Amino acid sequence: KAGVTQTPRYLIKTRGQQVTLSCSPISGHRSVSWYQQTPGQGLQFLFEYFSETQRNKGNFPGRFSGRQFSNSRSEMNVSTLELGDSALYLCASSLDFSGGADTQYFGPGTRLTVL
Amino acid sequence: AQTVTQSQPEMSVQEAETVTLSCTYDTSESDYYLFWYKQPPSRQMILVIRQEAYKQQNATENRFSVNFQKAAKSFSLKISDSQLGDAAMYFCAYVLTGSEKLVFGKGTKLTVNP
Repeated sequence: KAGVTQTPRYLIKTRGQQVTLSCSPISGHRSVSWYQQTPGQGLQFLFEYFSETQRNKGNFPGRFSGRQFSNSRSEMNVSTLELGDSALYLCASSLDFSGGADTQYFGPGTRLTVL
Repeated sequence: AQTVTQSQPEMSVQEAETVTLSCTYDTSESDYYLFWYKQPPSRQMILVIRQEAYKQQNATENRFSVNFQKAAKSFSLKISDSQLGDAAMYFCAYVLTGSEKLVFGKGTKLTVNP
């Protein structure tokens, strides 16, 4: 079974631009979560989607948004990019069969650099 | 606040020896799951081991085992017979039952010396 895939793997943008990252979960997985990884803050939870609905949201500004499609694929969008948005963005998927606490499997990440 | 503390930013071990990585966490909830993930230089986050908080028995996965002390909120990872491929950042994390929000520690960088 194919793992979690994320596109693109690398992205360079300038301040003020917007960016869209894509995540395809493992087949059959219904929950998709997004995390931001930076050297200073470590791994921080952005948000989680299940059945096209955002169920959980981390402590990030409204410039960070996401959505999930009917096939469970997810996208996250960052508008008005700032230098501090430079990070590795990780997507994770899980079955969520039991209503939570299923193991999350991670994709390879998208490295975003904001100049 | 829900936090995870990994007190060892870096650790090193000789190939074939055993190393233990420490982790403590803080939550007022009683139902949760604990994880160790490894992240090699390739950046792919890989699950190492998972522990259900309601289980007293420590989880084991081949050369990897945990020492779970619920009262002390401690969850250490023991790697036996260390291999060069074990070199990576290791992250301790937990998630509350009913949530998908993983709370991570800052990580421990493990170096394996030949």
